[in-house]
Formats: sequence, structure tokens, C-alpha cells
Amino acid sequence: DAKTTQPNSMESNEEEPVHLPCNHSTISGTDYIHWYRQLPSQGPEYVIHGLTSNVNNRMASLAIAEDRKSSTLILHRATLRDAAVYYCILGAQGGSEKLVFGKGTKLTVNP
Amino acid sequence: NAGVMQNPRHLVRRRGQEARLRCSPMKGHSHVYWYRQLPEEGLKFMVYLQKENIIDESGMPKERFSAEFPKEGPSILRIQQVVRGDSAAYFCASSPGLAPREQFFGPGTRLTVL
Repeated sequence: DAKTTQPNSMESNEEEPVHLPCNHSTISGTDYIHWYRQLPSQGPEYVIHGLTSNVNNRMASLAIAEDRKSSTLILHRATLRDAAVYYCILGAQGGSEKLVFGKGTKLTVNP
Repeated sequence: NAGVMQNPRHLVRRRGQEARLRCSPMKGHSHVYWYRQLPEEGLKFMVYLQKENIIDESGMPKERFSAEFPKEGPSILRIQQVVRGDSAAYFCASSPGLAPREQFFGPGTRLTVL
């Protein structure tokens, strides 16, 4: 399984944008980039995924580097409810898509 | 449309007893995954099932653990002769198809072994 590298923790203020980085230098051509998050005492929650182009949805935006060796999850206006551990995960198209969770980035949002 | 349901939410067992964890996937989802999260550790994949078939059990401990997803009814994760080290949160996820389809997670079952 291809590996990802994320900072252990990040801090943000409420209503400010947050940029969560992820390095995946060994990504293969068919690997998708997935982001999930886990709020305290809850199950993980899908956030967004992409392959090559930047992606937007109601929760966040995903910016993917041109060489695909890194990506950034963007929360446009952090709220207290966004405090969670964010996981960047690679997965092959058409595969069983078992998710290989690393340690993720623990995001703290200050009021 | 109800989300992924797991029951019980909390389960207490004594060493040597059996634990049965149930997972009802979202309507229309035929792919089920089980993950385990040990205290202060990350989530680890255990097993991936489709209806009546185990597709990938590479994360399942070799002994005492089994999983099924019958044609009718919920998926079951069964742990025989539980030990204290089995205490963890067990999460089930379901998906409507193969990658890169997103997985929808349940609230988890928190197993405590006394």
C-alpha cells in the first residue's frame, strides 16, 4: 500500500481557512487520493476524493499537485465542528478499496 | 435513507466469552468492511465482504475472529474466547461498489473485555 505523510497536528481559528497537507511521493498512476475525518468518539466520515484534477464539494476542496506527489485539503471556513483527525489515504481504482489509515492530522479549531 | 447501523453500541464481555457485533449496511450497498481501532491507536482494516463472500480477510487475526455477510440479514463479526486485548472500537463501513466509491461508516461498537 502506498504511504502518505501528514503533520501530526495543526491548529486553526474559527472561520479561518485551513490547509491540511499530505505527501504521497510513491503514488501510482491509478491511485485515487481520499480524505476522511474522524470526530471524537465517532466513526470516520468521508470528506472528498480526487485523481488528478482539483475537486470541490460542500465540505471541502482538494488541491492536487501537478506531479500528484502531494495534495492539500482545504476547509474554507473552519468551524468548531471541524475539529477532528483528518486522514489522507491512497487507493487504487477498481480495487477492494480497503482503507489504510495512517496517524492522520489532528486539527484543533480555536473559538 | 438510514445510515450504517451497528449494534450493540457498547458491549461488555468477560474473558473467554463470545462477542457478536452486527452491522446493517446502507440500503443498496453490497460491500461491507470491518475496521478495528485499539485504544490510542489508528484504524486498522480487518475484512472486506460482499454478500455471502469474504473478499479480503488479510487484516483478520488468524484465530478466534470470523466474519460473515449472509444473503439476508446483517453482517456479523464474531470474536470467540475474547481476551482483554480485544477491547477496542469496531467500525463497520459499507459501499455501493468498487473503488473509488466512498465508504460510509457506522457509529461503531465499543467492546470492553473484563
